[in-house]
Amino acid sequence: QVQLVQSGAEVKQPGASLKVSCKASGYTFIEYYIQWVRQVPGQRLERMGWNNPKTGGTDYAQQFQGRVTMTRDTSISTAYMELSSLTSDDRAVYYCARGSKIGGTTKLPLDIWGQGTMLTVSS
Amino acid sequence: ETVLTQSPGTLSLSPGERASLSCRASQSINENYLAWYQQKPGQAPRLLIYGTSTRATGIPDRFSGSGSGTDFTLTISRLEPEDFAVYYCQQYGNPPRTFGQGTKVE
Repeated sequence: QVQLVQSGAEVKQPGASLKVSCKASGYTFIEYYIQWVRQVPGQRLERMGWNNPKTGGTDYAQQFQGRVTMTRDTSISTAYMELSSLTSDDRAVYYCARGSKIGGTTKLPLDIWGQGTMLTVSS
Repeated sequence: ETVLTQSPGTLSLSPGERASLSCRASQSINENYLAWYQQKPGQAPRLLIYGTSTRATGIPDRFSGSGSGTDFTLTISRLEPEDFAVYYCQQYGNPPRTFGQGTKVE
């Protein structure tokens, strides 16, 4: 079945970096955008940006620019999100989700989600 | 960016009752590209409705979406016990994609 499987929970020290993986299966990885969304406990879903697995192109939300890097490895159908200079404000669950079809004329919602990766920032 | 405001923040209802959730946009959403997601504690969001009114695969017909432009509604015709959750709207017609703050159905 179509699914996205993320790497496990992480505990990081302030100032460290987080790298989350998101492995796609059940569909052609390079045909759909991957969106990254985070959710601080008790708060709304927050867009972080997207990665185009076909070209490697990215678009980052303004509040994360300079701190986030989204990449992919097409040989293993896996997308990555790296967030640097972590603070306690980055304590959240990080999700990857499948977005629109690349080159498609119709925009699509986030129809497939990873299970989420919980980040705790603690010294 | 397009700001989405959901109301009410919390909806207190009983099983079998009808739920109406509102999502209002700060500007008109292109092509009415508005989606609704359900999220239960400890779980990822699940797509319910997209394109304002199209149910996602496997979503029961007690869920329906309506609206256009800036005003959208998710209706649950008869609440089942498993429907008590938080619901988010998201617009994907006006870049960047944005989410509402959520409505909790309790």
